[in-house]
Amino acid sequence: GAGVSQSPSNKVTEKGKDVELRCDPISGHTALYWYRQSLGQGLEFLIYFQGNSAPDKSGLPSDRFSAERTGGSVSTLTIQRTQQEDSAVYLCASSNRDYTDTQYFGPGTRLTVL
Amino acid sequence: SQQGEEDPQALSIQEGENATMNCSYKTSINNLQWYRQNSGRGLVHLILIRSNEREKHSGRLRVTLDTSKKSSSLLITASRAADTASYFCCMDTGRRALTFGSGTRLQVQP
Repeated sequence: GAGVSQSPSNKVTEKGKDVELRCDPISGHTALYWYRQSLGQGLEFLIYFQGNSAPDKSGLPSDRFSAERTGGSVSTLTIQRTQQEDSAVYLCASSNRDYTDTQYFGPGTRLTVL
Repeated sequence: SQQGEEDPQALSIQEGENATMNCSYKTSINNLQWYRQNSGRGLVHLILIRSNEREKHSGRLRVTLDTSKKSSSLLITASRAADTASYFCCMDTGRRALTFGSGTRLQVQP
């Protein structure tokens, strides 16, 4: 079956513009995660969706960042009024039930803010 | 802030040699996992070790966990050029998401 997919693979935008990043998790996976990885750095947790529970937004760096998960499947990460420090690879992952399960990662979206 | 730190940050070895990477963390954990990342994208899960386990093997991989020292090591035996990647440890701290270390960049010279 298909793995986690993300789109676009690359996004270049101008400072101040809004961007939307999409994640299609593995079909049937209940949990979905967004991470951010700056150049040469480790992964920074952003947000976690698990079933119908309220998402854990504790990793979102500012109120310019938001995410939705529609119908328990596809998720969209939105960054408003982008800043240069938002430039990073944004990785999405999904797991079968919750955070105790193995996470399967998508290829990421490389965001460059000029 | 990151909870895990990996050592060394970068490692270069010859094909056939063993590679050892270490991970230290700060809080108690339920389990610890290792992931591999090629070319800055696409993390792949390698192995999971639970807090009540001390050692685990998977193919050429051996992972140890010392909860008293809050540390783990990943050993790759008989390394291959295809093992060239970044390796991350990540901790399940019960925070509802994994906490990743800073990664070790491994270069295996053919």
